[in-house]
Amino acid sequence: GQQLNQSPQSMFIQEGEDVSMNCTSSSIFNTWLWYKQDPGEGPVLLIALYKAGELTSNGRLTAQFGITRKDSFLNISASIPSDVGIYFCAGQPAAGNMLTFGGGTRLMVKP
Amino acid sequence: NAGVTQTPKFRVLKTGQSMTLLCAQDMNHEYMYWYRQDPGMGLRLIHYSVGEGTTAKGEVPDGYNVSRLKKQNFLLGLESAAPSQTSVYFCASGLSEVTDTQYFGPGTRLTVL
Repeated sequence: GQQLNQSPQSMFIQEGEDVSMNCTSSSIFNTWLWYKQDPGEGPVLLIALYKAGELTSNGRLTAQFGITRKDSFLNISASIPSDVGIYFCAGQPAAGNMLTFGGGTRLMVKP
Repeated sequence: NAGVTQTPKFRVLKTGQSMTLLCAQDMNHEYMYWYRQDPGMGLRLIHYSVGEGTTAKGEVPDGYNVSRLKKQNFLLGLESAAPSQTSVYFCASGLSEVTDTQYFGPGTRLTVL
């Protein structure tokens, strides 16, 4: 199946720092989604992107749909302790296809 | 409004035993999904359903069966559990398109000895 490479695999940062993570694929995706999973819970949708070049914000989170349609980026500004968790990218390669998930970026924030 | 619920939360099985995981949603969603989550591999789709009475295979369907007899319930069965099926299983539901927000349950942690 489709492969999504998510990096970094983990990050340990100081509270207040900005965070960047990305997701890449060798093939084109029509839709990119970013989910967050808190410890012991299921993932929750953060941001959805539907057009190449699209830049969307949700509070301190900003995500972009790469212009090549093969990548997406998520930035978190001024991190706080509750940002801790695993962030997953997910993509839909073509209309009607199921989502493919990346391996996740585990974020740890030091107060 | 409970959202998506899963039972049980934890289970330990011996190799060869069978079990059924239950997923229920009260949001009147058409689509329901079963995923498994393994370390470093993200979520992989096992089976999904686009409506009551329908099921389809996902990326990793082998060793699992599903049923959607009622719109609100999606059952995942393991007929003969194997250690490779040790994982955390998540159910999700969504309105009517794959890219509609998928609402996830809290997960079931399954260990097969």
